[in-house]
Amino acid sequence: GAVVSQHPSRVICKSGTSVKIECRSLDFQATTMFWYRQFPKQSLMLMATSNEGSKATYEQGVEKDKFLINHASLTLSTLTVTSAHPEDSSFYICSALVPGAHGYTFGSGTRLTVV
Amino acid sequence: GESVGLHLPTLSVQEGDNSIINCAYSNSASDYFIWYKQESGKGPQFIIDIRSNMDKRQGQRVTVLLNKTVKHLSLQIAATQPGDSAVYFCAENGSGGGSNYKLTFGKGTLLTVNP
Repeated sequence: GAVVSQHPSRVICKSGTSVKIECRSLDFQATTMFWYRQFPKQSLMLMATSNEGSKATYEQGVEKDKFLINHASLTLSTLTVTSAHPEDSSFYICSALVPGAHGYTFGSGTRLTVV
Repeated sequence: GESVGLHLPTLSVQEGDNSIINCAYSNSASDYFIWYKQESGKGPQFIIDIRSNMDKRQGQRVTVLLNKTVKHLSLQIAATQPGDSAVYFCAENGSGGGSNYKLTFGKGTLLTVNP
């Protein structure tokens, strides 16, 4: 149980375009989701916390206008990288807080390459 | 949480040996700690967790030790197998029981198991 599905797993886009990444909770309602970015050989860095029905809370240094987060339902959160540039190339991972268990479940990640 | 460095610490062990992976944390208010395993190109996979009211917890082939005095966490893997090769992260919930469920990840350790 408590599975999060993240899509796409891999995407290549041209510089200046926007890319949307989806994170769905399959068998539970995810009130709170998290978005992380991970550069090669580095740790996961939290970008923002997404709460259903309200605005996301961004970590310091993360541009909210560039990384748009929408959490309009209890089973779906999306991250849109707007006007992507090569430096946005990274591994993006979503996570959801599992209700009642005080635990977390992670998506399989999205490898974004901006060319 | 820990600062993120550019180089992952590495640990190389022989198959069948025991492995010990260490992690230091800085937030004395953290009350929940998790160890994750991450294989290349995948999201983190839960291994074991521990709450701050415990100092040891055992799972299948894994043991987590928590020393709150020195803010240190360790993961012990018994009879390490090639399939254990991955990057291991500790993560802490620094909410101290509050409504902030953000996880802070440590820098990670690359475990390589030699057959």
